Amino acid sequence: NAGVTQTPKFRVLKTGQSMTLLCAQDMNHEYMYWYRQDPGMGLRLIHYSVGEGTTAKGEVPDGYNVSRLKKQNFLLGLESAAPSQTSVYFCASRTGSPGELFFGEGSRLTVL
Amino acid sequence: DQQVKQNSPSLSVQEGRISILNCDYTNSMFDYFLWYKKYPAEGPTFLISISSIKDKNEDGRFTVFLNKSAKHLSLHIVPSQPGDSAVYFCAASARRIQGAQKLVFGQGTRLTINP
Repeated sequence: NAGVTQTPKFRVLKTGQSMTLLCAQDMNHEYMYWYRQDPGMGLRLIHYSVGEGTTAKGEVPDGYNVSRLKKQNFLLGLESAAPSQTSVYFCASRTGSPGELFFGEGSRLTVL
Repeated sequence: DQQVKQNSPSLSVQEGRISILNCDYTNSMFDYFLWYKKYPAEGPTFLISISSIKDKNEDGRFTVFLNKSAKHLSLHIVPSQPGDSAVYFCAASARRIQGAQKLVFGQGTRLTINP
């Protein structure tokens, strides 16, 4: 039972490089989310999706783009990485009815 | 503007005693509250939730209390066990106006249970 899987788990980038984080869930969940966790800041919502083909901005969307082409996948892209994007990124999903989020294990990104 | 605040970055409790973690919120539209637990190098996992129509919800050793007038909730763990050592996040959503689409998280409190 995989649940929510994030790849890669670790990545080091140079300023200006681009990359994509992949989130995959096998629970047929409608809602998917990308959060970032920084010391003293808790979990902050970057972007989210309420269904296949939809995306919406969260609290800190600048510098990120997302796509939800398939229901089970939610991609987070950094077009031009900046040191301020050094963080741990968490993907989460849930069913359509109000309920708890299921999180992946996280992806640690370092931008030099 | 931090809508959900956990003002204690850390808490240390002796094994067997009660752990009380606190959370305050500012948005009066929040009507559903959750607690998550996070171990190092893992994603957060759901612990317990409470709707604004209740003031208490209990699940085993974990109880969440909600004081709507004070915009305050707390998580009680009794008795505390070494495996409870983790970071605890409080989260809130506004189901009536947003359909619980988004959860807003606090900064987290690191709980350490000492043997």
